[in-house]
Amino acid sequence: GENVEQHPSTLSVQEGDSAVIKCTYSDSASNYFPWYKQELGKRPQLIIDIRSNVGEKKDQRIAVTLNKTAKHFSLHITETQPEDSAVYFCAATGQTGANNLFFGTGTRLTVIP
Amino acid sequence: KAGVTQTPRYLIKTRGQQVTLSCSPISGHRSVSWYQQTPGQGLQFLFEYFSETQRNKGNFPGRFSGRQFSNSRSEMNVSTLELGDSALYLCASSGSTTGELFFGEGSRLTVL
Repeated sequence: GENVEQHPSTLSVQEGDSAVIKCTYSDSASNYFPWYKQELGKRPQLIIDIRSNVGEKKDQRIAVTLNKTAKHFSLHITETQPEDSAVYFCAATGQTGANNLFFGTGTRLTVIP
Repeated sequence: KAGVTQTPRYLIKTRGQQVTLSCSPISGHRSVSWYQQTPGQGLQFLFEYFSETQRNKGNFPGRFSGRQFSNSRSEMNVSTLELGDSALYLCASSGSTTGELFFGEGSRLTVL
């Protein structure tokens, strides 16, 4: 089955700096890579996703890059703000046309004001 | 539009008991998937149902089972509870295949 590894497990940055979280996956058939943000005590929510036919996607301060050859993808957050503090999970699909996601173990991001 | 609703939100059981958790998806969503969240393991996929059929199953023992009803509501059952089953169980629904998952707030199970 699919195996997703995520690094780092914790990340602290100063407000205004950039944050980068990296993930690798094992199944070359995976074609959908979402990122979820989970604030303390709340449910995970999708913040951005990318499909295997695209190399990069941006949404305001958030961007995701995908390298299919190396089987890794990354989340980039620029101009970080205190409200960006949360746990971020990367994920990859286990099967085309299905909603079985394999998640990384999460990165706890702390933005220091 | 109402979100994904899970019941109960909190429950305490003892080892050997069984538990049933319920999930009502967003109206119109036919895909419902379940995840176990623990501090050390993150979110782990349990199973996915689509139109009352189990479409995928994760790597969990047979004590974990689920079903989906014709109105897309889903239940998951854990029999012969073990201490290690203590976790937050999250349900997610989706209106598309391989698309955004909308999570419920979860059912927090504590096994004593």
